[in-house]
Amino acid sequence: GQQLNQSPQSMFIQEGEDVSMNCTSSSIFNTWLWYKQEPGEGPVLLIALYKAGELTSNGRLTAQFGITRKDSFLNISASIPSDVGIYFCAGLGWGGNEKLTFGTGTRLTIIP
Amino acid sequence: KAGVTQTPRYLIKTRGQQVTLSCSPISGHRSVSWYQQTPGQGLQFLFEYFSETQRNKGNFPGRFSGRQFSNSRSEMNVSTLELGDSALYLCASTTSGSSDEQFFGPGTRLTVL
Repeated sequence: GQQLNQSPQSMFIQEGEDVSMNCTSSSIFNTWLWYKQEPGEGPVLLIALYKAGELTSNGRLTAQFGITRKDSFLNISASIPSDVGIYFCAGLGWGGNEKLTFGTGTRLTIIP
Repeated sequence: KAGVTQTPRYLIKTRGQQVTLSCSPISGHRSVSWYQQTPGQGLQFLFEYFSETQRNKGNFPGRFSGRQFSNSRSEMNVSTLELGDSALYLCASTTSGSSDEQFFGPGTRLTVL
């Protein structure tokens, strides 16, 4: 099935560092979503973006909807241990019946 | 408000058997989508149900089927299980059926031996 290209695949950072990850697609999307998944749980929605160029924050998280509609990035500032998990981007096309297409995920590990 | 619930949380089956997984959406949500998550393929869309009708379908064989009841609860069924069906099966609900802002359940971990 189709997937978005998400990078990096994994990150090992120290507590307090900033994190940046991005997602690119060959298709245009109408909506970009960012989710976080922890072991044994389903993905939890972090940020939703609905307009090209939109920059949205949720606490230490900031995400942007690329101007071309084909990319998005997520930044986490001043990482803390509970940020550990897998982050997924997801894109939604036009029309009420479009399904979400997910990125391949970025696994974030924080080194004490 | 209770979240999306899925039962069972864990399931072990053998090849050739069939399995039924259940999902109860958030109260008031009418759309339920199902996804398969594997390490190799990531999150793959299976199908979406809205008001008891399948509105969208992913690229999975006919062994994978689903349905939705009048109370919006949904079930998915996999027949003639194969080893490759081992995965985390996630369901997500949303209010009106458009797939934005989906809320996911914890998933059912299916292991096929």
